Amino acid sequence: AQTVTQSQPEMSVQEAETVTLSCTYDTSESDYYLFWYKQPPSRQMILVIRQEAYKQQNATENRFSVNFQKAAKSFSLKISDSQLGDAAMYFCAYRSPQGAQKLVFGQGTRLTINP
Amino acid sequence: DGGITQSPKYLFRKEGQNVTLSCEQNLNHDAMYWYRQDPGQGLRLIYYSQIVNDFQKGDIAEGYSVSREKKESFPLTVTSAQKNPTAFYLCASSPTAAGSSYNEQFFGPGTRLTVL
Repeated sequence: AQTVTQSQPEMSVQEAETVTLSCTYDTSESDYYLFWYKQPPSRQMILVIRQEAYKQQNATENRFSVNFQKAAKSFSLKISDSQLGDAAMYFCAYRSPQGAQKLVFGQGTRLTINP
Repeated sequence: DGGITQSPKYLFRKEGQNVTLSCEQNLNHDAMYWYRQDPGQGLRLIYYSQIVNDFQKGDIAEGYSVSREKKESFPLTVTSAQKNPTAFYLCASSPTAAGSSYNEQFFGPGTRLTVL
């Protein structure tokens, strides 16, 4: 079974600075999908960014980018120019392309933005 | 507006009672999912359904039951057999369940269940 590990329970960053959240995963599959979800205080889960394992190019969405290292099974999220609205829980998730396509989540990282 | 609705937002239950959480989607999605979220943990899958009248157990199905009589609806019943039901429950849906193409899961706003 696949597992996802986020080793940083909490992170903090100054407003306008850059922060990187770590995620590692374990799988024997060669093709899969990886996601970062944001959960603000409202607790609504919001998709931030996704990465297909067969794509070597790292995904980017505005201020959010990933560093996908397939051999190392690492999938970190970089947030540039941090804003107060970025404060939230961030979850890394894995999904197999086969079967029910259920998500396997990490434990989450709580990100605090200091003004 | 298309989306997923969950009701109620907050739910209180006495020990020994069954309670049903509602999840409705108007996105015409085939697949629906129930997750449980506890403090300090990520989301864990309770049940999922790929098509109407069919559903499968997830990783922590004990003490829970579901039905999928309509495409739009996937209610979750928390039974008295669930030892520690106090948690935040999230429902999600995605366009299709099968195949290798990307299918994003959309989440509802969640229900906070507290057992008194």
